[in-house]
Amino acid sequence: AAGVIQSPRHLIKEKRETATLKCYPIPRHDTVYWYQQGPGQDPQFLISFYEKMQSDKGSIPDRFSAQQFSDYHSELNMSSLELGDSALYFCASSLALRVGKTDTQYFGPGTRLTVL
Amino acid sequence: AQSVTQLGSHVSVSEGALVLLRCNYSSSVPPYLFWYVQYPNQGLQLLLKYTTGATLVKGINGFEAEFKKSETSFHLTKPSAHMSDAAEYFCAVSEVEGGTSYGKLTFGQGTILTVHP
Repeated sequence: AAGVIQSPRHLIKEKRETATLKCYPIPRHDTVYWYQQGPGQDPQFLISFYEKMQSDKGSIPDRFSAQQFSDYHSELNMSSLELGDSALYFCASSLALRVGKTDTQYFGPGTRLTVL
Repeated sequence: AQSVTQLGSHVSVSEGALVLLRCNYSSSVPPYLFWYVQYPNQGLQLLLKYTTGATLVKGINGFEAEFKKSETSFHLTKPSAHMSDAAEYFCAVSEVEGGTSYGKLTFGQGTILTVHP
């Protein structure tokens, strides 16, 4: 079965640079979530999209932005990178059962971002 | 706000022994509950979930969990540990209001399971 695809899998950036992470959800899934997992920590919710509209927002810095495109893939844009942004970034997708209710989230393998 | 507590950041068992990973949540309304497993340098894989209905849920790889509302718990168990079970396990909740899940997951701190030969 097709899974969530994330690219790149690894990314190394310098401080103050920008980074773009991509997420391709499972076919027919219309909802995408982004999570950040710092070293030795649990994943923290950043932001989610349903039908190309932002559906919820968590602890996402103002330096970060994200969007969902017409083909349902999503991109997380990160600017003015800081050392503390080094983390594993997960994308998850799910199928909305109805407005405001979604099915199980399936996670991608993650993008490991290292900021030097 | 929802919160999830996993008792024990590290659990060590012998191969063939019972696995018990504890998870408690705090919420005025029972949330949807999930267990995910994470192998090193990999993503999160769903083991099992509870939304409604039968409180004992069975998942993949022989794991099961029981939702106990009175104890606000959702402990994960497996009768006999295998070496391949060594991984980090996360309990997670999804807020529910009026029968509707808001989707985003709140995770516990994770429990690293070590299995000894």
